[in-house]
Amino acid sequence: EPEVTQTPSHQVTQMGQEVILRCVPISNHLYFYWYRQILGQKVEFLVSFYNNEISEKSEIFDDQFSVERPDGSNFTLKIRSTKLEDSAMYFCASMLAGGETQYFGPGTRLLVL
Amino acid sequence: QKEVEQDPGPLSVPEGAIVSLNCTYSNSAFQYFMWYRQYSRKGPELLMYTYSSGNKEDGRFTAQVDKSSKYISLFIRDSQPSDSATYLCAMIEESSGNTGKLIFGQGTTLQVKP
Repeated sequence: EPEVTQTPSHQVTQMGQEVILRCVPISNHLYFYWYRQILGQKVEFLVSFYNNEISEKSEIFDDQFSVERPDGSNFTLKIRSTKLEDSAMYFCASMLAGGETQYFGPGTRLLVL
Repeated sequence: QKEVEQDPGPLSVPEGAIVSLNCTYSNSAFQYFMWYRQYSRKGPELLMYTYSSGNKEDGRFTAQVDKSSKYISLFIRDSQPSDSATYLCAMIEESSGNTGKLIFGQGTTLQVKP
């Protein structure tokens, strides 16, 4: 069964460093999302992406964040200058056009020191 | 008031029990309702999807939506130890269509004891 994959599974970085989280959505899916889950808290929406542009973004998704679909298969989330509070599990999700709902990857655990 | 409220538990039941998991919400614009299961340190996995009010059954799982009460439920029959996980309710506003952002509840941790 096709699935969303994410790399790396874990990332440790120093505050102020840039990180890029990578996702390979399910092929033929057209809608892409990033969510995050701070330990012990709710899964929170960050951004949605369709037709090579951002469809919607949350208040969390400020100028330090960006997303890109550099080729036909990858979907990336970049954090330019990480903060301690960016430490969280980041989930990528994708959805088929005309599909019912979003399918999630296993997540990348980001720790900012 | 939080948009989506869910008792975090933990909820502990014996194997074979019927489990009832619930969420309440305040936003009457929610029209798409989902239940996800999340195992420790894994991504959410879709269990059930419902549009608007009503019931939906899939094997041992039944989802109910009562929009008049702003209340949704997930029932698990004949619960198994493998059902032990965190169950997340999630919703989308009508105006977004089903491609919109998911708004999640806190999640309820369920433990099914053999």
